[in-house]
Amino acid sequence: AQSVSQHNHHVILSEAASLELGCNYSYGGTVNLFWYVQYPGQHLQLLLKYFSGDPLVKGIKGFEAEFIKSKFSFNLRKPSVQWSDTAEYFCAVISPNNNDMRFGAGTRLTVKP
Amino acid sequence: KAGVTQTPRYLIKTRGQQVTLSCSPISGHRSVSWYQQTPGQGLQFLFEYFSETQRNKGNFPGRFSGRQFSNSRSEMNVSTLELGDSALYLCASSLGPTGSYEQYFGPGTRLTVT
Repeated sequence: AQSVSQHNHHVILSEAASLELGCNYSYGGTVNLFWYVQYPGQHLQLLLKYFSGDPLVKGIKGFEAEFIKSKFSFNLRKPSVQWSDTAEYFCAVISPNNNDMRFGAGTRLTVKP
Repeated sequence: KAGVTQTPRYLIKTRGQQVTLSCSPISGHRSVSWYQQTPGQGLQFLFEYFSETQRNKGNFPGRFSGRQFSNSRSEMNVSTLELGDSALYLCASSLGPTGSYEQYFGPGTRLTVT
């Protein structure tokens, strides 16, 4: 079964700093990839997803992620973070073959105003 | 369009009891998945139902079970509750099988076992 690693547990940035959150997965077959965000007191929301096509995907609120198949990675990026981006971010992977959805442990992002 | 709804939002139970949680998916969605979220283990997949059939099950004991009704609403049952079952239980719905469609999450049911 696949697994997902998010290497950063807690990231603290100042407003306007650039963000990159790492996500690596272990699975040799076809996968669909997701980034979800959980704002304080709110439920999980989809930021962006990759199923196929252009490996650089753009999501909501200025986020983007790049799928690098050779590195089994799907890192999340944002050029300039805002205080409102303070939240927990989860990377998730699912194989259409086994429908086993796996989430990373999450990265807590704190943006200082 | 209304989002995924879960009831109840909060629940306190005693060890040994059983509990049933309910999830109403977004209208038109036929797939419902359940997850357990805890500070120590993070988000873990419990099971997925599609068209009233369980398609996949995570690595949880048989005390955890579920079902889906013809209107796509789903229930999850946990029998013989243990302290370690205290968690946020999330339901997510999607148009089709989880592997190929994005999921929309509900707010969760916070279960506390004392």
